[in-house]
Amino acid sequence: DAGVIQSPRHEVTEMGQEVTLRCKPISGHDYLFWYRQTMMRGLELLIYFNNNVPIDDSGMPEDRFSAKMPNASFSTLKIQPSEPRDSAVYFCASRPQGSYQPQHFGDGTRLSIL
Amino acid sequence: AQSVAQPEDQVNVAEGNPLTVKCTYSVSGNPYLFWYVQYPNRGLQFLLKYITGDNLVKGSYGFEAEFNKSQTSFHLKKPSALVSDSALYFCAVREPGNTPLVFGKGTRLSVIA
Repeated sequence: DAGVIQSPRHEVTEMGQEVTLRCKPISGHDYLFWYRQTMMRGLELLIYFNNNVPIDDSGMPEDRFSAKMPNASFSTLKIQPSEPRDSAVYFCASRPQGSYQPQHFGDGTRLSIL
Repeated sequence: AQSVAQPEDQVNVAEGNPLTVKCTYSVSGNPYLFWYVQYPNRGLQFLLKYITGDNLVKGSYGFEAEFNKSQTSFHLKKPSALVSDSALYFCAVREPGNTPLVFGKGTRLSVIA
């Protein structure tokens, strides 16, 4: 079975540019999560969706960050304009209904802002 | 509020020896507890979970974890460590209800041949 698919795997861009990260969750999963991982701050939850509706975006660091889920099989995380401190690994995860269910993670996008 | 503590940043163990990675949690109700492993340049992979029932749960790759309600702990164990077990391990907790998982800061396990 295909897992959570993220693209691109690596992104290097210059400060001020717009960055779009993409995620395809596992088919049939109702929840989708975006995380950011850095050495300093560890794993941070940015936002999550249930049935394509954003439920909690309190982890989104600034208005420069936005996330959408236009349908059940696709989500984007956008940073505009990007800054060097946004450099991190961004993970997408999904899970089915049922709070006892584990989350399944993609392999992440390593983002470097120069 | 839910929280998870992994008191050790790093655990070193010799190959063939038993390993333990510690986790304590705080929730207001009955917890759902999870362990994940992360290898370099990969996402987190689910290892095992405790929902209810037997306090000792078994998971992937020979790992197991023991739920201890009185000590609010959920330590990860393996009887005989392999070099290939070297990775970053995360404990996570969720209260029943559809709240997100809360992750610990992670423990880096190094198994030395």
